Amino acid sequence: EAQVTQNPRYLITVTGKKLTVTCSQNMNHEYMSWYRQDPGLGLRQIYYSMNVEVTDKGDVPEGYKVSRKEKRNFPLILESPSPNQTSLYFCASSYIAQGFEQYFGPGTRLTVT
Amino acid sequence: KNQVEQSPQSLIILEGKNCTLQCNYTVSPFSNLRWYKQDTGRGPVSLTIMTFSENTKSNGRYTATLDADTKQSSLHITASQLSDSASYICVVRDNYGQNFVFGPGTRLSVLP
Repeated sequence: EAQVTQNPRYLITVTGKKLTVTCSQNMNHEYMSWYRQDPGLGLRQIYYSMNVEVTDKGDVPEGYKVSRKEKRNFPLILESPSPNQTSLYFCASSYIAQGFEQYFGPGTRLTVT
Repeated sequence: KNQVEQSPQSLIILEGKNCTLQCNYTVSPFSNLRWYKQDTGRGPVSLTIMTFSENTKSNGRYTATLDADTKQSSLHITASQLSDSASYICVVRDNYGQNFVFGPGTRLSVLP
């Protein structure tokens, strides 16, 4: 089954404790992206990647890191999480040639206390 | 600044009724516009895509329209069902490539 998977789905952590949210897709998509969704603000792009070893900042990259060592994986790293990073996070992937229809993962709800 | 606005913010209708959701954008240059449906607690799923030259596109009971001159799009839902209860998000992509601007969404509730 074609899908985007994220782990963990729920995470509660404390300020400053490094964490990684994994994202994996099995559709051989070139493009992958991370978004955060906050009430009333819609989805905002954090980072995106056009292909392996190619990453770029989105609208709200501060406090986040990403890597794209393999085509299928695009982990999101929070080196020192803060309470303002409490949010719902979505990973998405797409083919570049097919109009960028993005397929979204199920989401990761992160709470930083 | 590139922006996407949606109205109404929320909408409640009875099962079987029709409704229309609005999307206004300032993204330029324009590449395409997508409508996504997002069920509570799940990732968005694409309903339809509109390019510059398209005025209307249907996907079952969903019909999207686009007026590129006024930079407005609408999503019309016909004969609503309880399963239509979700948030509907308008997303505009600029012509430079990778920039997607998401609207805040319209929360639709369909009641029996």
